[in-house]
Amino acid sequence: GNSVTQMEGPVTLSEEAFLTINCTYTATGYPSLFWYVQYPGEGLQLLLKATKADDKGSNKGFEATYRKETTSFHLEKGSVQVSDSAVYFCALMDSGSNYKLTFGKGTLLTVNP
Amino acid sequence: DARVTQTPRDKVTEMGQEVTMRCQPILGHNTVFWYRQTMMQGLELLAYFRNRAPLDDSGMPKDRFSAEMPDATLATLKIQPSEPRDSAVYFCASGLWVAGVETQYFGPGTRLLVL
Repeated sequence: GNSVTQMEGPVTLSEEAFLTINCTYTATGYPSLFWYVQYPGEGLQLLLKATKADDKGSNKGFEATYRKETTSFHLEKGSVQVSDSAVYFCALMDSGSNYKLTFGKGTLLTVNP
Repeated sequence: DARVTQTPRDKVTEMGQEVTMRCQPILGHNTVFWYRQTMMQGLELLAYFRNRAPLDDSGMPKDRFSAEMPDATLATLKIQPSEPRDSAVYFCASGLWVAGVETQYFGPGTRLLVL
């Protein structure tokens, strides 16, 4: 079956630090990959996505590249801000799972001023 | 700015009571999902509808949970009878599925506490 493994948090950084949150996956088909972000007290919001190998998703300074050879989709940002403090979820979707999203457990990021 | 809406936002009830959560998907979307989020289990998919037809409810405890879409603008999730272990945040999400990948848009959630 499908699965997503994220690095365990919490991750605590100072403002303007470089961020990497690792995500690897196992899928039976050729999945699309997503990063969602959840701010305190809110629902999940799509941050970025990539639908095929070597695609790079980007949004709000965040980037992730779909690496089929390493089955990875690591999230990166060059300079984090306090407002980036949230929980980040990696997820996959493929036709083999009838297009359901499979989520990782989430990584809590705290950015200090 | 179209959004998924959910009511109520918070619900406190006693064990054994019926709980009904409602979701209004984004107009024009044809898929609706119900998720449950807890610290222990993370995000779990409970039910999934496409064009109002249930596609998958394998994640839902059948004896007490039920999910329906009476019409295209309303999805409901009911728990009867409720139990303390049902305490969680329940999210509804909607999306537009056209022969493949879709983006799911999440509502703000219903925070349920069963005493």
